[in-house]
Amino acid sequence: DIQMTQSPSSLSASVGDRVTITCRASQNINNYLNWYQQKPGKAPKLLIYAASTLQSGVPSRFSGSGSGTDFTLTISSLQPEDFATYYCHQSYSTPWTFGQGTKVDIK
Amino acid sequence: EVQLVESGGGLVQPGGSLRLSCAASGFTFSSYSMNWVRQAPGTGLEWVSYISSSGSTIYYADSVKGRFTISRDNAKNSLSLQMNSLRAEDTAVYYCARDRVGLDHWGQGTLVTVSS
Repeated sequence: DIQMTQSPSSLSASVGDRVTITCRASQNINNYLNWYQQKPGKAPKLLIYAASTLQSGVPSRFSGSGSGTDFTLTISSLQPEDFATYYCHQSYSTPWTFGQGTKVDIK
Repeated sequence: EVQLVESGGGLVQPGGSLRLSCAASGFTFSSYSMNWVRQAPGTGLEWVSYISSSGSTIYYADSVKGRFTISRDNAKNSLSLQMNSLRAEDTAVYYCARDRVGLDHWGQGTLVTVSS
């Protein structure tokens, strides 16, 4: 199985901060990497697919990069509605696997 | 508007069975692969099962293989998950999710609690 390791597990940030979350795969997954945002009590929401493509309707302050084993989700200027937990997900091979999540909270 | 609505969750004893359903609307259901993903209380996301658009290709997580069965009825725009031999560790919110590039639409989830 492909292991997905996110870092950090949690972070505290202020509105307007630039936030970077990394995700490392245990083997090459090309660009089969997706990012989700989840708020408490809600279903996850797709933000980025294929490592760097912004899902329709997602604000442009979100961006993704990387290929192979190392990937990054960046929020260029954190907004109040961005406080949530973020997950990476590999769809390269089954079993699909998710990172453990990164909780972004208010500093 | 794409909608996915899960149902069928509840409290079940260890060793029991439950059948989850996911009603799809707002898109051509028969054109999309579908997945079940679960989330145990206070933890992260775990993929459970995948079914291709025609139903011809199916995958399961090792943790549920042999106990869970995914199926779909394209005529009824419906996805199902038959869960047998349930264990305490199957307690989770179960989501159905549409598979495009990434899981682009999710239902609201249905809670399954396995406890005596």
